[in-house]
Amino acid sequence: RKEVEQDPGPFNVPEGATVAFNCTYSNSASQSFFWYRQDCRKEPKLLMSVYSSGNEDGRFTAQLNRASQYISLLIRDSKLSDSATYLCVVNKGGSYIPTFGRGTSLIVHP
Amino acid sequence: DAGVTQSPTHLIKTRGQQVTLRCSPKSGHDTVSWYQQALGQGPQFIFQYYEEEERQRGNFPDRFSGHQFPNYSSELNVNALLLGDSALYLCASSSGPGNTIYFGEGSWLTVV
Repeated sequence: RKEVEQDPGPFNVPEGATVAFNCTYSNSASQSFFWYRQDCRKEPKLLMSVYSSGNEDGRFTAQLNRASQYISLLIRDSKLSDSATYLCVVNKGGSYIPTFGRGTSLIVHP
Repeated sequence: DAGVTQSPTHLIKTRGQQVTLRCSPKSGHDTVSWYQQALGQGPQFIFQYYEEEERQRGNFPDRFSGHQFPNYSSELNVNALLLGDSALYLCASSSGPGNTIYFGEGSWLTVV
């Protein structure tokens, strides 16, 4: 089983839709979690950290479920500019090395 | 305030050759990590440098080596290039191991 697993998609949604991605991780000692966004042929950029209590940044909401070992990203009112690959990132406890999932592709169409 | 910078941005090498990629971290950052990203995959951790030493290493062969200089900049060297080494090589810096990482634009390596 991979350390960090994501559905590669693509998720194809119309503008204005709400879409959610999940990411599962295998190491129960994982301590910190992030979502990065990567545009085609560009570098990944930090979208948001994921806190235990859940957190929101505008149209984006991140949740952590430690019992089931997954994190989620919810995007409301999707924009064309949200089209990108969303990478789930997990820091294992003690190693300080972020481990990336393969990413979930989102395509928002008019 | 310059972000993470990498060079070169694109390069083509022949199988068996050697390549050196360079990275300057974001101002105030002292930790540099290197990742390899193949098409359709997430970034795979190669190694991390802190205080001029390799602190952690991923599952990559010894053909992959690196260095960190006193000014925190770093190099990634790959010897005996294989076709499978073709990928985007990303440098990421942080203000210490375990802190949030920020990526450079990457170096696209094509091995023919």
